[in-house]
Amino acid sequence: GDSVTQMEGPVTLSEEAFLTINCTYTATGYPSLFWYVQYPGEGLQLLLKATKADDKGSNKGFEATYRKETTSFHLEKGSVQVSDSAVYFCALSNSGGYQKVTFGTGTKLQVIP
Amino acid sequence: EAGVTQFPSHSVIEKGQTVTLRCDPISGHDNLYWYRRVMGKEIKFLLHFVKESKQDESGMPNNRFLAERTGGTYSTLKVQPAELEDSGVYFCASSQGRARTGELFFGEGSRLTVL
Repeated sequence: GDSVTQMEGPVTLSEEAFLTINCTYTATGYPSLFWYVQYPGEGLQLLLKATKADDKGSNKGFEATYRKETTSFHLEKGSVQVSDSAVYFCALSNSGGYQKVTFGTGTKLQVIP
Repeated sequence: EAGVTQFPSHSVIEKGQTVTLRCDPISGHDNLYWYRRVMGKEIKFLLHFVKESKQDESGMPNNRFLAERTGGTYSTLKVQPAELEDSGVYFCASSQGRARTGELFFGEGSRLTVL
């Protein structure tokens, strides 16, 4: 079945540091890939997505590129802020109609001033 | 526009008791999903409604869990009787279109603690 593997946290960075959160997936067919974020006290919200190979999703300074050859969708940000502290979830949704979204375990990011 | 709302935000019950979680999706969203995150692990799919019909309930752990969506509006998830391993955060999400290309809108989650 489909699965998503992402790096374990927590990840602690200083403000303005470079962020990478690794994510790899296993899926049949051609899934769409997502990064969701959960800020403290809030629900999950979509951060960015990519629907086909080589697509780059971007939002709020975050980027991730759909790499089919390495089955990866790593999340990057050049300069993190304290307000980026949250839990980040990599996820995929497979083709074929109304499909469930498969999530990774989540990576907690803490950015310190 | 109101988002997905869930109630209660936190419930503490004893093993063997019953708990009912409620989810109100975004108005007009036909798709409603229940997910669960247990103790920092991955968020796992439980089931999917399209309007009032169960489209996929392959993630429901066992027959102690019962989900309903009367009239295709709000949904309830009942756990009866609750066991210790049912503790976790239960998320509800809704969407208008297909999950593949569309976006899931999540509620804040209902945290269940079974003692």
